[in-house]
Amino acid sequence: QQPVQSPQAVILREGEDAVINCSSSKALYSVHWYRQKHGEAPIFLMILLKGGEQKGHDKISASFNEKKQQSSLYLTASQLSYSGTYFCGTERSGTSYGKLTFGQGTILTVHP
Amino acid sequence: DTEVTQTPKHLVMGMTNKKSLKCEQHMGHRAMYWYKQKAKKPPELMFVYSYEKLSINESVPSRFSPECPNSSLLNLHLHALQPEDSALYLCASSQHRRETQYFGPGTRLLVL
Repeated sequence: QQPVQSPQAVILREGEDAVINCSSSKALYSVHWYRQKHGEAPIFLMILLKGGEQKGHDKISASFNEKKQQSSLYLTASQLSYSGTYFCGTERSGTSYGKLTFGQGTILTVHP
Repeated sequence: DTEVTQTPKHLVMGMTNKKSLKCEQHMGHRAMYWYKQKAKKPPELMFVYSYEKLSINESVPSRFSPECPNSSLLNLHLHALQPEDSALYLCASSQHRRETQYFGPGTRLLVL
């Protein structure tokens, strides 16, 4: 079952912050976040495992609320290079090891 | 090094042709994946290989035939495709299933 991402699109000025949410109706083992630019491969950002954790590097961080089956990606002080489509990929608990189901994507546009 | 390579970059084929897509990684990863991505949509899982054995087939039509000859190489054999099969085909690999998946640049396929 496909996770639901919100918002569908975000427009920012450089230096502004954004939050992208990913929600599942099923119990999750992990949440994976990727950024994809047009015509390119998805680039891995971070993985969060059940147990409810928060991770971050540089100005991008993420959290995973296991009880709510929700994850959020936080982009702070956005840069032009942050533009692209962000996908969350979820793996359900207990089934189909390695099967990632991706949300529909959030298009992030950063303007100068 | 997190490089996954895919050849060819672009492929045009007729509905009666037989062609193959190739994916290679030299990271020692033991899980490899094929995804299909249509324009403005998320990647959709097709197949998962673990230790060179097919572990997940997402009910993919038999005109797509995967093969994993060794731990570094993954092929996708194509035969009698339909125009609706035109898409970006992405390969990914991970150390083991359930771990971070690294994507290759993809093969853009057009079926005429």
